[in-house]
Amino acid sequence: KNEVEQSPQNLTAQEGEFITINCSYSVGISALHWLQQHPGGGIVSLFMLSSGKKKHGRLIATINIQEKHSSLHITASHPRDSAVYICAVRGPNFGNEKLTFGTGTRLTIIP
Amino acid sequence: DVKVTQSSRYLVKRTGEKVFLECVQDMDHENMFWYRQDPGLGLRLIYFSYDVKMKEKGDIPEGYSVSREKKERFSLILESASTNQTSMYLCASSRVNTEAFFGQGTRLTVV
Repeated sequence: KNEVEQSPQNLTAQEGEFITINCSYSVGISALHWLQQHPGGGIVSLFMLSSGKKKHGRLIATINIQEKHSSLHITASHPRDSAVYICAVRGPNFGNEKLTFGTGTRLTIIP
Repeated sequence: DVKVTQSSRYLVKRTGEKVFLECVQDMDHENMFWYRQDPGLGLRLIYFSYDVKMKEKGDIPEGYSVSREKKERFSLILESASTNQTSMYLCASSRVNTEAFFGQGTRLTVV
């Protein structure tokens, strides 16, 4: 079973700062997901990636398959970015749809 | 927009009651999932369905069952609710090997 670890667990930053959240996993994967959960519970998928880098607005996700590591970056952070960010990985075999989740990083952006 | 709808946001049930949590998706996704989310433990998979009437146990199926009679609907059943099933329950759906879409969550309290 894959072990997924995120760091830091909690992060508080000032508005405008560059944010990095890290995710490491122990076993090879077919894809890695970054998710965002706002207070109230709903979860939104931000990225799904299996190699390289993806960018959407102020969010950038990178993955290094050899090092079993991914990072989520937020540029010019804003209070509305305050949320829990969750990393999840899918196993290496095609058709294995089950995800293993990290415990999340709670991000708070102060105006 | 893909929509995954859970029947209740908040639910309070008594110990020993049979509880039904309903989830409906409108994008003809093959896969549907039920997770529970507890502080410090992250999301854990209860059951997964990859087709109508097909199901697989997740990491924590004890005390739960599921039903998928139609492609768009996936029900989670607590046969005899207990206080340790107090949790946030999240439903998700996806196509094969793609990002998952989550419902808004049901916060269940068993008293």
